[in-house]
Amino acid sequence: GESVGLHLPTLSVQEGDNSIINCAYSNSASDYFIWYKQESGKGPQFIIDIRSNMDKRQGQRVTVLLNKTVKHLSLQIAATQPGDSAVYFCAETHSTLTFGKGTMLLVSP
Amino acid sequence: KAGVTQTPRYLIKTRGQQVTLSCSPISGHRSVSWYQQTPGQGLQFLFEYFSETQRNKGNFPGRFSGRQFSNSRSEMNVSTLELGDSALYLCASSTWTGANEQFFGPGTRLTVL
Repeated sequence: GESVGLHLPTLSVQEGDNSIINCAYSNSASDYFIWYKQESGKGPQFIIDIRSNMDKRQGQRVTVLLNKTVKHLSLQIAATQPGDSAVYFCAETHSTLTFGKGTMLLVSP
Repeated sequence: KAGVTQTPRYLIKTRGQQVTLSCSPISGHRSVSWYQQTPGQGLQFLFEYFSETQRNKGNFPGRFSGRQFSNSRSEMNVSTLELGDSALYLCASSTWTGANEQFFGPGTRLTVL
């Protein structure tokens, strides 16, 4: 998702739903991608990563999909829980990390 | 293993002053990167240090500087503070430089009045 300043795109889901957060990246030379979760008052927390030689990687309740053709990254969260509420950032890197603007995920019980 | 620690957690300064922020990486990590986070610009890369050498630098003015010590601890300094320097300053450490997982500290919230 794209965002401007304070107006982060927001995804609102119900507890138990599956969530999909999207990200477009800009550098075709980027070869490593990370999703981070940031809760209020905390630093970003690593969720899952993927290298450019893969198109899918699964973790615990999370899956990252990479489409290099259209420079698109997505994070899927299964059975979303209230504790998943946070801002989610994608980051791309070739040598330094470049972060997207973030998407706010709100999970209602 | 202890995580990345940053001190101080909160800081209030006035315009024109300078400030030094400190970061202690995870034990064994040799790379430390600094980021500035603001509502308007999001997370922006400041610089990276590896083995006491600056490896990469973001697009920030020369008022922003840093250094790394032999124990991998890092400091960043901002001189002649401006109101626009108010931000959350995040430090991240990793085992190696380049494309690998970075672990973030809680950040230092700097307010410039």
